[in-house]
Amino acid sequence: AQTVTQSQPEMSVQEAETVTLSCTYDTSESDYYLFWYKQPPSRQMILVIRQEAYKQQNATENRFSVNFQKAAKSFSLKISDSQLGDAAMYFCAYRAPGGNYKLTFGKGTLLTVNP
Amino acid sequence: SQTIHQWPATLVQPVGSPLSLECTVEGTSNPNLYWYRQAAGRGLQLLFYSVGIGQISSEVPQNLSASRPQDRQFILSSKKLLLSDSGFYLCAWSPAWEAFFGQGTRLTVV
Repeated sequence: AQTVTQSQPEMSVQEAETVTLSCTYDTSESDYYLFWYKQPPSRQMILVIRQEAYKQQNATENRFSVNFQKAAKSFSLKISDSQLGDAAMYFCAYRAPGGNYKLTFGKGTLLTVNP
Repeated sequence: SQTIHQWPATLVQPVGSPLSLECTVEGTSNPNLYWYRQAAGRGLQLLFYSVGIGQISSEVPQNLSASRPQDRQFILSSKKLLLSDSGFYLCAWSPAWEAFFGQGTRLTVV
């Protein structure tokens, strides 16, 4: 079974600085999808960024980018120019190939942004 | 555009009482639908998923059940709630790769 590990239960960053959240996963598949979701205090799950395993280029979405290392099974999220609104729980998620589109989530990293 | 609605937002129920949480998706047809539970300090645990009307797959044996009576409606139920059923329940739908979530239901069993 696939597992997703987020080894940092909590992280903090100063406003306008850069922070990197770590995620590793275990799979025997060669084609899959990885995601980062953000859960603010409202608890609404918001998709931040997506990476297809067959793509070598790292995904970017404005201030959010990933460092995808397929051989190492590592998928970290970098947040640049951190803003107070970035404070949230961040979840890494894995989706195996196949039609049911199930997501496996890590336990999350709580990000605090200090003014 | 597609939207997902989940209700109620908050629910307090006594032990042994029944449960019904409802989720509907608008703006799409035949979506894959999911129920997740999030316990305090933990990630999301997949409870049930459905790839079509009447098709339910259970991920974790437990006190809960799910049904999909209509194409875009997904219901999470229990006949008798346990204290351990307390948590935050999230419905989600998936068009392809990623999942989109409802607002969630905070369930407290007392």
